[in-house]
Amino acid sequence: SQTIHQWPATLVQPVGSPLSLECTVEGTSNPNLYWYRQAAGRGLQLLFYSVGIGQISSEVPQNLSASRPQDRQFILSSKKLLLSDSGFYLCAWTITVGSPLHFGNGTRLTVT
Amino acid sequence: GQNIDQPTEMTATEGAIVQINCTYQTSGFNGLFWYQQHAGEAPTFLSYNVLDGLEEKGRFSSFLSRSKGYSYLLLKELQMKDSASYLCAVNPRGGGGNKLTFGTGTQLKVEL
Repeated sequence: SQTIHQWPATLVQPVGSPLSLECTVEGTSNPNLYWYRQAAGRGLQLLFYSVGIGQISSEVPQNLSASRPQDRQFILSSKKLLLSDSGFYLCAWTITVGSPLHFGNGTRLTVT
Repeated sequence: GQNIDQPTEMTATEGAIVQINCTYQTSGFNGLFWYQQHAGEAPTFLSYNVLDGLEEKGRFSSFLSRSKGYSYLLLKELQMKDSASYLCAVNPRGGGGNKLTFGTGTQLKVEL
């Protein structure tokens, strides 16, 4: 069966510090991978998605970036965090159009 | 663009039935998903509709009318553990990937 791992679970970082969140999927090949953010009291916002190694599509302009160095690894990064980057970050995967997204447990990021 | 509307909050009694509505306006349509999200946790998949009609899964059912841009999630025999946020998400056609657009969620509170 497929599983998705996301870490860390919680993170407190000062403004201006770098960020690296990692997500890995097991039990499947060539998944579509996604990074979503959920700000307090708001809906899920799609940040990035990837349909293959090295292929990244950005949905909203921001100071975050994503990379997919391996088939089942998806990384969310920032060189300098802003206060507005605080939120609940969720990695997700799916195989085909029409199949549901499966989410990791999320990372709660607080930028202070 | 995409627009998804659902009520912000609902309250229901244990053992009762509740219907959570969702209306959407999207540029193309490739299916509608319902997710459940408990506080502090990741969303979990509940149901998927791509054709008009009712899909039943145990205590949960979901209905879709594509011509009206309307869906509802029906929860029967409510239990206290059903207290959660329920997210409606639409998969717009085109653009590659399987990029779901989420509503802001309906916070359901189940009371004794």
